Amino acid sequence: DVKVTQSSRYLVKRTGEKVFLECVQDMDHENMFWYRQDPGLGLRLIYFSYDVKMKEKGDIPEGYSVSREKKERFSLILESASTNQTSMYLCASSLDSYSGNTIYFGEGSWLTVV
Amino acid sequence: AQTVTQSQPEMSVQEAETVTLSCTYDTSESDYYLFWYKQPPSRQMILVIRQEAYKQQNATENRFSVNFQKAAKSFSLKISDSQLGDAAMYFCAYRSALVGGSRLTFGEGTQLTVNP
Repeated sequence: DVKVTQSSRYLVKRTGEKVFLECVQDMDHENMFWYRQDPGLGLRLIYFSYDVKMKEKGDIPEGYSVSREKKERFSLILESASTNQTSMYLCASSLDSYSGNTIYFGEGSWLTVV
Repeated sequence: AQTVTQSQPEMSVQEAETVTLSCTYDTSESDYYLFWYKQPPSRQMILVIRQEAYKQQNATENRFSVNFQKAAKSFSLKISDSQLGDAAMYFCAYRSALVGGSRLTFGEGTQLTVNP
């Protein structure tokens, strides 16, 4: 089975801190994604990557950046955390860009910014 | 840009009964996939069922089936013989078949409660 692992399940950070959310997949998937989930808004795409060192902005990239130096790892970076970034963050991966392929999700990282 | 709308924030069903969750979407594309994902309290997203736009036959997975109406851009999920374990948030999602269109676009979600 595909495993998508988000290293931190619960984080509490202070306003202005730099925050790293890490995601690792173990199935050599090309595509990786970062979503943000908020009540009543569903999941919104922050960034995605279709190959090492390649990235594309999603629908809500402001205040975030990403890094993909190795195929299995996709990091989401909050350069200066703000309270409106308090949310649950979901990482996902899929084999490639074929639209019928399943997208697999991690268990989520709950981030609270105080 | 594609949009997905789930107009029912909450639904409830009695155990062993049938419930239908609604989803509509907007797209100008002709080739795409539609998905229903389930998110239980553990927050792990689980794929329930998928439908390719070019297939007229509605997808079925055990107790889960869809009613796909391409012209109406409607994609509803029917859960038969509802079980307590079906209680979860359900998300409808769209994925374009175009090159570079690999992202999933989600609806707002429907919280399903199953009453014993």
